Amino acid sequence: SAVISQKPSRDICQRGTSLTIQCQVDSQVTMMFWYRQQPGQSLTLIATANQGSEATYESGFVIDKFPISRPNLTFSTLTVSNMSPEDSSIYLCSVENRVGSGGNTEAFFGQGTRLTVV
Amino acid sequence: AQKVTQAQTEISVVEKEDVTLDCVYETRDTTYYLFWYKQPPSGELVFLIRRNSFDEQNEISGRYSWNFQKSTSSFNFTITASQVVDSAVYFCALRDSNYQLIWGAGTKLIIKP
Repeated sequence: SAVISQKPSRDICQRGTSLTIQCQVDSQVTMMFWYRQQPGQSLTLIATANQGSEATYESGFVIDKFPISRPNLTFSTLTVSNMSPEDSSIYLCSVENRVGSGGNTEAFFGQGTRLTVV
Repeated sequence: AQKVTQAQTEISVVEKEDVTLDCVYETRDTTYYLFWYKQPPSGELVFLIRRNSFDEQNEISGRYSWNFQKSTSSFNFTITASQVVDSAVYFCALRDSNYQLIWGAGTKLIIKP
């Protein structure tokens, strides 16, 4: 299994500012993802964080707005830049890690960052 | 296209009733995984079950059971003798060959005392 520490757990930010969210995993993982969950909605994948190279962004998300760093296999950051009230969401870090002795992997999630932009 | 449909937006039942949450998926992959997650009001995502496409056996874990039917592309989740603590949003998800999770819209389950 993997234990993920995500911080901050919540923040209230002024529009036009930026917030960096950190995700720390207690073991090395290959796959690391960032999701957004808007109020009352399901999860939407923002990007796959790649170690040592640029993140792979999903349609509708761009690096200028959501820059991502992944300096090693246990840590990643997501920055929400030039925030507006529409960015108010829960942001979740997720990793894929092996479980058990077979080839199964499982997705683990951080506690989420509840962001409110005013 | 890869898609997960949870047609039930919200279900409300009285405690001790049984309730089934529906999940229908679409995928072109022959090997895939299906998941159910629970998201209580506190917001964290709690893993409930993973099922791979080659294993159609139904699974029971306490009051929870899952019915996987490849013929109808469904992976339904039943809670028997529901309890107030079961109140949460439940998500069904499909993992594709790129290890990305495709999420259903979620079903909000309300258990009334």
